[in-house]
Amino acid sequence: DSGVTQTPKHLITATGQRVTLRCSPRSGDLSVYWYQQSLDQGLQFLIQYYNGEERAKGNILERFSAQQFPDLHSELNLSSLELGDSALYFCASSPGQGRSQYFGPGTRLLVL
Amino acid sequence: GENVEQHPSTLSVQEGDSAVIKCTYSDSASNYFPWYKQELGKGPQLIIDIRSNVGEKKDQRIAVTLNKTAKHFSLHITETQPEDSAVYFCAASRGSQGNLIFGKGTKLSVKP
Repeated sequence: DSGVTQTPKHLITATGQRVTLRCSPRSGDLSVYWYQQSLDQGLQFLIQYYNGEERAKGNILERFSAQQFPDLHSELNLSSLELGDSALYFCASSPGQGRSQYFGPGTRLLVL
Repeated sequence: GENVEQHPSTLSVQEGDSAVIKCTYSDSASNYFPWYKQELGKGPQLIIDIRSNVGEKKDQRIAVTLNKTAKHFSLHITETQPEDSAVYFCAASRGSQGNLIFGKGTKLSVKP
């Protein structure tokens, strides 16, 4: 158990819908990272927050957004969902920049 | 940007044999190289990591070596056991950026 929690574990929704994925980092970790894992693209970095501020953006679509709250939990919002958004979404946390990242169990999203 | 290549994509060994997985990276500014193990239905688990000021690091049956000049790093697992069967990912990052760039993964099968 990494200490990172993610909810929900599974999510099934329809095209065009909007969903919110939630992540709670390990106690004391200030950085939260979101990654997407799909069969064709592998593990890809989406976005990073550090102590409530956005720090880095990767291959994140404009339909996706995230935020980190004062209690350091983070939410990833996915809107106007398409079939191709079906994937595993992982959150990772670390104490700070360039430190070891610990992954949560992931949210499996299926868009029908 | 950074690109990480990982070989082989699949590896099958007999229990007790050694397994070696190799990765190359393209960005000479990368200075942090973690390895993750991912079991079916779970999130990536950090098993070992190395920073660019170190050439080798060991933790029991697992070791990682780094050749900065050639821009490659390798994971060595000795005395493999069936519970080592999983997908292994290498990754690279610049400490200043933090986000990880992953290889495509190696599916390791250890046959009893």
